[in-house]
Amino acid sequence: ETGVTQTPRHLVMGMTNKKSLKCEQHLGHNAMYWYKQSAKKPLELMFVYNFKEQTENNSVPSRFSPECPNSSHLFLHLHTLQPEDSALYLCASSQDRGSAGLGGTEAFFGQGTRLTVV
Amino acid sequence: AQSVAQPEDQVNVAEGNPLTVKCTYSVSGNPYLFWYVQYPNRGLQFLLKYITGDNLVKGSYGFEAEFNKSQTSFHLKKPSALVSDSALYFCAVRPQYNFNKFYFGSGTKLNVKP
Repeated sequence: ETGVTQTPRHLVMGMTNKKSLKCEQHLGHNAMYWYKQSAKKPLELMFVYNFKEQTENNSVPSRFSPECPNSSHLFLHLHTLQPEDSALYLCASSQDRGSAGLGGTEAFFGQGTRLTVV
Repeated sequence: AQSVAQPEDQVNVAEGNPLTVKCTYSVSGNPYLFWYVQYPNRGLQFLLKYITGDNLVKGSYGFEAEFNKSQTSFHLKKPSALVSDSALYFCAVRPQYNFNKFYFGSGTKLNVKP
C-alpha cells in the first residue's frame, strides 16, 4: 500500500456516459498527477496540480476534466470518451519543495483504474 | 527536450544470474533519476533514486543502479535474479528546475526463467 488510493479499480463505460475517477492520498503531499498508461507506450502525463492549482495540462482533450478540491483529493471527470481512451489511468502524488531546485522526491502511485470505453 | 529511453522492450535472464535493465536520458540541468517496477494491473512501485552523491545507489529488493553522467545512463542491476522479479520496469527522470514533471521511459519487461 503506497498511501495513494484510486477508485474504482475497473470501469466500463459507454461513449455517451459520464463518469469520474477518484484519487486520494494520505501522505501529506502537495502535488498530484494524472497519468495515462496505454499498452507499449510511455506513461503520458495528463495533468499536474500543486497546492490545488493546476500547473500542467499536457494538451489533454476536453473530454477529460480534472478537479482538485484540496491537496489530498484529485478527480478525473470523463464524458463522451472514445474507445482509444481505454487505458490504465494512474494517479500519483509527491512532495514538491518549490522552484529552488529541490524537486528530488519520488512520486507515489495508486493502483490505477482500468478504463474500458465501449 | 527531456526524454528517457529504455532500448530493450524485453530482457530475459535465468534465475540466479545477474540482470541489467538499461536506461539513458536527456535532460537539462542535473537530473533526478528513478526506477519503478509495475506488476500486472498494479500501479508503479518506487525502487530507488539518484539525486546526488555516490553514483551507485541501492534500493528495494536487492536492486541497485549506477549513474553515469558522461554516458547519461542509469542502468538498473541486480546480482542474482529471482523469478519473482519478473515485471515491467520503468526508468524516470525529473529535471532539476522543472519539478512538476516526471518523464518516463516506455518500460522494459523483465522475464526471469527458473
